[in-house]
Amino acid sequence: SQTIHQWPATLVQPVGSPLSLECTVEGTSNPNLYWYRQAAGRGLQLLFYSVGIGQISSEVPQNLSASRPQDRQFILSSKKLLLSDSGFYLCAWSVPRGAGSEQFFGPGTRLTVL
Amino acid sequence: QQPVQSPQAVILREGEDAVINCSSSKALYSVHWYRQKHGEAPVFLMILLKGGEQKGHEKISASFNEKKQQSSLYLTASQLSYSGTYFCGTEKPPGTYKYIFGTGTRLKVLA
Repeated sequence: SQTIHQWPATLVQPVGSPLSLECTVEGTSNPNLYWYRQAAGRGLQLLFYSVGIGQISSEVPQNLSASRPQDRQFILSSKKLLLSDSGFYLCAWSVPRGAGSEQFFGPGTRLTVL
Repeated sequence: QQPVQSPQAVILREGEDAVINCSSSKALYSVHWYRQKHGEAPVFLMILLKGGEQKGHEKISASFNEKKQQSSLYLTASQLSYSGTYFCGTEKPPGTYKYIFGTGTRLKVLA
């Protein structure tokens, strides 16, 4: 069966510090991978998605970046965090079969920028 | 543009029914429904791919009216475990993997 891991589960970082969140998927090959952010009490905002190694599409221009160094590994990074980067970061995967492919979410990372 | 869900919040007693609506100002090609419990990740409920399609999942079902650009989620004989925030989602445009989620509906079921 497929599983998705994210770490760390929680993170408190000062403004201006770097960020690296990691997501790995097991039990599937060549998944589509996604990073979402959810502000407190709000909906899900798609940040990045990837359909293959090294292929990253950005949805929201900001000080975040994503990389996919391996087929089942997706990393979210920032060189300098802003207060507005606080939120619940969710990684998700789906089978790349076009429209109609459900997404499976990881447990999330709760980031607080102080 | 983000699909709009209504109501924003609803409180039910166990055994009562609820309907959550998801409306888009632009064409909907598929609709996903997810439930998210507080502090947890969203969990997939169902997906509707065709206009007029209806699906059921135990006491939770959904319909998709492509012409009206709407989908509705039906919760019947609600249980405490149904509490959470429900999101609809869609892929715009289809086949692009660009998912956009609705504004969310907070549902609380009381004993």
